[in-house]
Amino acid sequence: DTGVSQNPRHKITKRGQNVTFRCDPISEHNRLYWYRQTLGQGPEFLTYFQNEAQLEKSRLLSDRFSAERPKGSFSTLEIQRTEQGDSAMYLCASIKTVGEPLHFGNGTRLTVT
Amino acid sequence: DQQVKQNSPSLSVQEGRISILNCDYTNSMFDYFLWYKKYPAEGPTFLISISSIKDKNEDGRFTVFLNKSAKHLSLHIVPSQPGDSAVYFCAASKHAGNMLTFGGGTRLMVKP
Repeated sequence: DTGVSQNPRHKITKRGQNVTFRCDPISEHNRLYWYRQTLGQGPEFLTYFQNEAQLEKSRLLSDRFSAERPKGSFSTLEIQRTEQGDSAMYLCASIKTVGEPLHFGNGTRLTVT
Repeated sequence: DQQVKQNSPSLSVQEGRISILNCDYTNSMFDYFLWYKKYPAEGPTFLISISSIKDKNEDGRFTVFLNKSAKHLSLHIVPSQPGDSAVYFCAASKHAGNMLTFGGGTRLMVKP
């Protein structure tokens, strides 16, 4: 169990650019979640996958956001045409079976200048 | 619409004393509650959970209490240790394993 891995740890980008983050869940974990945390707030749910199927998306996930988990293993989160309001910590979490607590990665901190 | 609230942004406690962190929720459909601890530059780590069929769950120095009628839960840490200094988030879900709704966090500082 090497934990949930997220890359990059930090990303600084200019407004209007596209960014992509990667999450590698714990091996054999079927469910994968994306959360976003802004300064002084708790994490907010964005979306989750059961294997490769994206089962739920938050209203927070605008059309500029897209997440994939093509082979049911790692996942990517892409933000197109970034805005300053997208600056946040993007957290990934995974679980093997329903009922377990989420195991979080250390996040990707995005700064949009 | 904050469905989970932690009204104390910070708490300072002396080492060895009890720390009590509070959390209130508004959605009566929530039936599973968790506490996470977060150190700087790390992701949240799971601490303890409680199902709505219970009113107390204990794990070592950590105890979570649930008062369903008041829609209130609390985390007790006793005795508090300097290593407990972190931000604590409470979270709730409608079913265990479904997406979590988090509170805004309470920063706990345990002074030696």
